[in-house]
Amino acid sequence: NAGVTQTPKFQVLKTGQSMTLQCAQDMNHEYMSWYRQDPGMGLRLIHYSVGAGITDQGEVPNGYNVSRSTTEDFPLRLLSAAPSQTSVYFCASGYSGGRDEQYFGPGTRLTVT
Amino acid sequence: AQKITQTQPGMFVQEKEAVTLDCTYDTSDPSYGLFWYKQPSSGEMIFLIYQGSYDQQNATEGRYSLNFQKARKSANLVISASQLGDSAMYFCAMRASNDYKLSFGAGTTVTVRA
Repeated sequence: NAGVTQTPKFQVLKTGQSMTLQCAQDMNHEYMSWYRQDPGMGLRLIHYSVGAGITDQGEVPNGYNVSRSTTEDFPLRLLSAAPSQTSVYFCASGYSGGRDEQYFGPGTRLTVT
Repeated sequence: AQKITQTQPGMFVQEKEAVTLDCTYDTSDPSYGLFWYKQPSSGEMIFLIYQGSYDQQNATEGRYSLNFQKARKSANLVISASQLGDSAMYFCAMRASNDYKLSFGAGTTVTVRA
């Protein structure tokens, strides 16, 4: 049971480039989400999904795109990278709400120059 | 909308002493849950403890306990008998009971001194 995996661990992009951050979970969780972590701001929700084929925007969705074609995978696409997107990105998954915790991946540190 | 406030950016604590991390929240949801996560310098997010808004007792998990005061909208984390390995950033988070989305506070960095 690998839990939540993310690739890559580190990435450097030039302004304007696009890329996809990969996230996969093997716990059959219905809920998956992407957060970004910036100093002094905690974690902010980018996009989330409550099941295959269903996605919705979080608090800071601009510049990012997601899709959920399978229960296991939830990639995050940066359409045209900007220096403001330099951050640490976390993918998380969980069952329905209530007492159930969310399980986090190890994170991807992205730098946009 | 939910708002989580952690007013202590950083704290120092002596090894073996207890430390309290403050968390206040604001929500209009009648039923909700509060979570605490630990983030060591290696970066991973580790779930520590959960408190439901209708739980009769304050949550405890080993050396972690939650001082939940619903009327004051506070959910402070108490770490007893601090260890060097407790040095980390700690995040308070909440969500409505019928929702998936977590809202996080800005975090508090704890440094345990030997």
